[in-house]
Amino acid sequence: DQQVKQNSPSLSVQEGRISILNCDYTNSMFDYFLWYKKYPAEGPTFLISISSIKDKNEDGRFTVFLNKSAKHLSLHIVPSQPGDSAVYFCAASAVKGGSEKLVFGKGMKLTVNP
Amino acid sequence: KAGVTQTPRYLIKTRGQQVTLSCSPISGHRSVSWYQQTPGQGLQFLFEYFSETQRNKGNFPGRFSGRQFSNSRSEMNVSTLELGDSALYLCASSLDRGFNEKLFFGSGTQLSVL
Repeated sequence: DQQVKQNSPSLSVQEGRISILNCDYTNSMFDYFLWYKKYPAEGPTFLISISSIKDKNEDGRFTVFLNKSAKHLSLHIVPSQPGDSAVYFCAASAVKGGSEKLVFGKGMKLTVNP
Repeated sequence: KAGVTQTPRYLIKTRGQQVTLSCSPISGHRSVSWYQQTPGQGLQFLFEYFSETQRNKGNFPGRFSGRQFSNSRSEMNVSTLELGDSALYLCASSLDRGFNEKLFFGSGTQLSVL
């Protein structure tokens, strides 16, 4: 049961354009969402997060949008740079009855072409 | 400040053997969690330790076990290895045990089971 879904395995964009990475979730108990970026041969690194009480969070070129009614979030990268080429993981967390969980999506490979 | 350190970097084992992976968290971090990354399944949660206690566990068989020491260092053990255990095993640490905490990942141990 994939509770966090990144339905597109890959995305290719031109340098300078916008990259939009999508993520859907099924568990309405999720209340915090995070994006991680992973380069080959390295561990994932935290990129940006958003609480369910917000619908947008911005950090430089990176903006995350949350649509709770659609159980959908997206990461926008503007402008995209070749160094953004990596695998991006969406993650969602919930605290339910004292039992916490953090669930990752399968990842999406972004390629930014010079 | 040193990052999360995982050893060894690479391991080759044969079916039926057992393996122990090590993780040293960032100094001061008390929570250590383990993830398995495979191409088809993304990042899957194994377990989380906080102050030497396993606080959360994912849906993995009992062959996967772990522990945390008083200095927060953690080890993960896989017994009776199967071909399907071939994966990148990632350790992550955070200051506290909340899953809303930003995770800091190590570079992982690449395990190949032949």
